[in-house]
Amino acid sequence: EIVLTQSPGTLSLSPGERATLSCRASQSANTNLAWYQQRPGQAPRLLIYEASKRATGIPARFSGSGSGTDFTLTISSLEPEDFAVYYCQETINWITFGPGTKVDIK
Amino acid sequence: QVELQESGPGLVKPSQTLSLTCTVSGASMRIGSHYWSWIRQAAGKSLEWIGRIYTTGSTTYNPSLTSRVSLSVDTSKNQFSLRLTSATATDTAVYYCARGGGWPHWAFDLWGRGTLVTVSS
Repeated sequence: EIVLTQSPGTLSLSPGERATLSCRASQSANTNLAWYQQRPGQAPRLLIYEASKRATGIPARFSGSGSGTDFTLTISSLEPEDFAVYYCQETINWITFGPGTKVDIK
Repeated sequence: QVELQESGPGLVKPSQTLSLTCTVSGASMRIGSHYWSWIRQAAGKSLEWIGRIYTTGSTTYNPSLTSRVSLSVDTSKNQFSLRLTSATATDTAVYYCARGGGWPHWAFDLWGRGTLVTVSS
């Protein structure tokens, strides 16, 4: 089983700032990694799949990169609606999710 | 557009079976080579994948739950269902149905709104 670690646990930023979220896998996931956004009281929303491909309707300010064991989700300029929890998910083994990174308003 | 909606009891007694159904609307489940999954989230916790089913009835379960879980599909009703036996308080969570979780669509691109199931006497 691949274990995913996300850092930081919480990221406090202001609107307009750049957010960089990390996801590390305990063994290689190749590029079989997805990112989700979850706002309070809502279901998760797919942002990125296969490490770097934006899902349908996702704004260009969201980008994903990485392969193997180290992955990054970048939000180039935070909008008010981007303050949420972000999860990574691997799909090369059994499907597992990371513990999440909360992006909150500074 | 395709939408998913969970339904089922919100309260289950300990040791009983938790049963939920997901209704897919807007398109046939058989179109597009998609798997259909259940995922749950305990309060304040991350997400846990429970299992997936294909429209042929082929299933794969999370190894940590495999002894208690079963999924089924009814393509004539465009529905798939979850049964989790011997429920305990640790099964209390919001349960989501989602599209994805198998080749070639491994990511979950569509989700239901989720339904809270509480296991309590």
